[in-house]
Amino acid sequence: KQEVTQIPAALSVPEGENLVLNCSFTDSAIYNLQWFRQDPGKGLTSLLLIQSSQREQTSGRLNASLDKSSGRSTLYIAASQPGDSATYLCAVKGYGNKLVFGAGTILRVKS
Amino acid sequence: DTGVSQDPRHKITKRGQNVTFRCDPISEHNRLYWYRQTLGQGPEFLTYFQNEAQLEKSRLLSDRFSAERPKGSFSTLEIQRTEQGDSAMYLCASSNPGEGPYEQYFGPGTRLTVT
Repeated sequence: KQEVTQIPAALSVPEGENLVLNCSFTDSAIYNLQWFRQDPGKGLTSLLLIQSSQREQTSGRLNASLDKSSGRSTLYIAASQPGDSATYLCAVKGYGNKLVFGAGTILRVKS
Repeated sequence: DTGVSQDPRHKITKRGQNVTFRCDPISEHNRLYWYRQTLGQGPEFLTYFQNEAQLEKSRLLSDRFSAERPKGSFSTLEIQRTEQGDSAMYLCASSNPGEGPYEQYFGPGTRLTVT
């Protein structure tokens, strides 16, 4: 059974700082991995998707990496802004149909 | 393309009542998923449709829950005899395998509060 863990559970940083969010998964037989952002009381916004054959994906100030063999992914946020404050969720898709999510990292960027 | 939509956005009901939620996927997305998210947790998979066929159901989907996707377009999720433990955010997502990486696009969710 796939299990996804995100560390840290919460993070508070001053504006402008670079930061890394961590995601680990127990079964390396994945099809892809997605990072999502969730604002309080809202749905999920997809940030980046990394296919199992890829090592990283970049979008603006965001960079996600994937090391499938070790069961790890990181989301790097450069030059953080108060608008980046949200919960960040990591989810893996195996060769079935569902996404398995971690519990998320709550990020607060202080101005 | 307006994205995945869900209705209602919020629902407050008394224990024992039945509720029904609707999800409209992105047009031409033939795959539709329901997830449930409780406070402080990530979403958990409930069920999956490919066109009108319900192909997978989680053990979380007790016999009080039923989902349909008539004609392979919108989907409904009904909860009968609601319990306080059903209070959660219910999220719908859709995907189109023809687009490649099976990326799932989520709607805004329906927040259910059972009093």
